[in-house]
Amino acid sequence: DTAVSQTPKYLVTQMGNDKSIKCEQNLGHDTMYWYKQDSKKFLKIMFSYNNKELIINETVPNRFSPKSPDKAHLNLHINSLELGDSAVYFCASSQDVWGVSSYNSPLHFGNGTRLTVT
Amino acid sequence: SQQGEEDPQALSIQEGENATMNCSYKTSINNLQWYRQNSGRGLVHLILIRSNEREKHSGRLRVTLDTSKKSSSLLITASRAADTASYFCATDHLYGNKLVFGAGTILRVKS
Repeated sequence: DTAVSQTPKYLVTQMGNDKSIKCEQNLGHDTMYWYKQDSKKFLKIMFSYNNKELIINETVPNRFSPKSPDKAHLNLHINSLELGDSAVYFCASSQDVWGVSSYNSPLHFGNGTRLTVT
Repeated sequence: SQQGEEDPQALSIQEGENATMNCSYKTSINNLQWYRQNSGRGLVHLILIRSNEREKHSGRLRVTLDTSKKSSSLLITASRAADTASYFCATDHLYGNKLVFGAGTILRVKS
């Protein structure tokens, strides 16, 4: 009955490869996110989707492409992996769309995918 | 930068003591949230305080917000070893469309 689940938990791959991370939420939330946490634990938003529509796209290399087949799923595909892509990637979901409600509701996070690029 | 800053970066206390973590930010906010992250896990929401609130409690947690100083504090009373984790503040800025996280405070509670 995990609320936000992402797979795989660990991903070790070589530079230049293409990989995907999958995320699913069973909370019935409208909005899903991808965050990147670096080695210093700094957490930065990458993308957010509301009802399958992209609403936030931070300055992220276009090697990163999110895909939302439905509002319960948000996958992240990364092409031509680089050493600097090594990090922990978190999927999250929330009920509200940023800026639409009078406040932004809490995020529910998955347990992360630790990506190591060698 | 909108990013919040927590201090201290790391805090080590004995079980039973209180732990106080602070967060400062730069621009006006709708609300401020605190999260906990255990090692190897995702962030867990602890408490949300709105810009028109000054103090909020949840169990052993007490959060204060001072919008004039653009700062917040998280107090954990009677700490337990299980409170060992990283704690992050996240700010929801006016006219912004995303939650911005600080760098976190690493709390270690020794038993």
